[in-house]
Amino acid sequence: RKEVEQDPGPFNVPEGATVAFNCTYSNSASQSFFWYRQDCRKEPKLLMSVYSSGNEDGRFTAQLNRASQYISLLIRDSKLSDSATYLCAVIQNTGGFKTIFGAGTRLFVKA
Amino acid sequence: GAVVSQHPSWVICKSGTSVKIECRSLDFQATTMFWYRQFPKQSLMLMATSNEGSKATYEQGVEKDKFLINHASLTLSTLTVTSAHPEDSSFYICSARDRREAPNQPQHFGDGTRLSIL
Repeated sequence: RKEVEQDPGPFNVPEGATVAFNCTYSNSASQSFFWYRQDCRKEPKLLMSVYSSGNEDGRFTAQLNRASQYISLLIRDSKLSDSATYLCAVIQNTGGFKTIFGAGTRLFVKA
Repeated sequence: GAVVSQHPSWVICKSGTSVKIECRSLDFQATTMFWYRQFPKQSLMLMATSNEGSKATYEQGVEKDKFLINHASLTLSTLTVTSAHPEDSSFYICSARDRREAPNQPQHFGDGTRLSIL
């Protein structure tokens, strides 16, 4: 089983749609949780950290459920510019703090 | 702030060549840097953790003699792909942890090196 699992998609949505991505992690000792955005042939860029209380940044809302070891990202009012791959990531302390990434979920927003 | 520079951004070379990639933290000191590899449509896979002044820690399945890591200063780590072959062609990305930040904070990523071996 992969340490961090995501639905690879792709998700094809029209502009203005709401889309949700899910992610599960296997190590219950994971300490920190993030969503990254990666554009084609580019490095990942931090989108937002994820907290149990939930957090929102504009059109983006992230949620963490520690009991279910589940992380989510909701994008409202999708824009063409949201088209990218969204990577779920966790920091684990396994012989040192390391960031482990999911395989990513591809999103295509169409006019 | 928290800028990580990776060089070169693109390398094309012949099979059997050794290739060195540099990762520099420009405005902070990094006792720990990380090297990732990403094949097309796959995730970033952690290859090794680079520790300033000591040996790197390699992930399972990563050949330490193939991928030489040196972290001689608080702002520079290098990855050398020795005797590179076409199967080593990939996107290599480094990240760095600011020594002032807690280890459970997000790392700072370089912009990656695309390596193509002919």
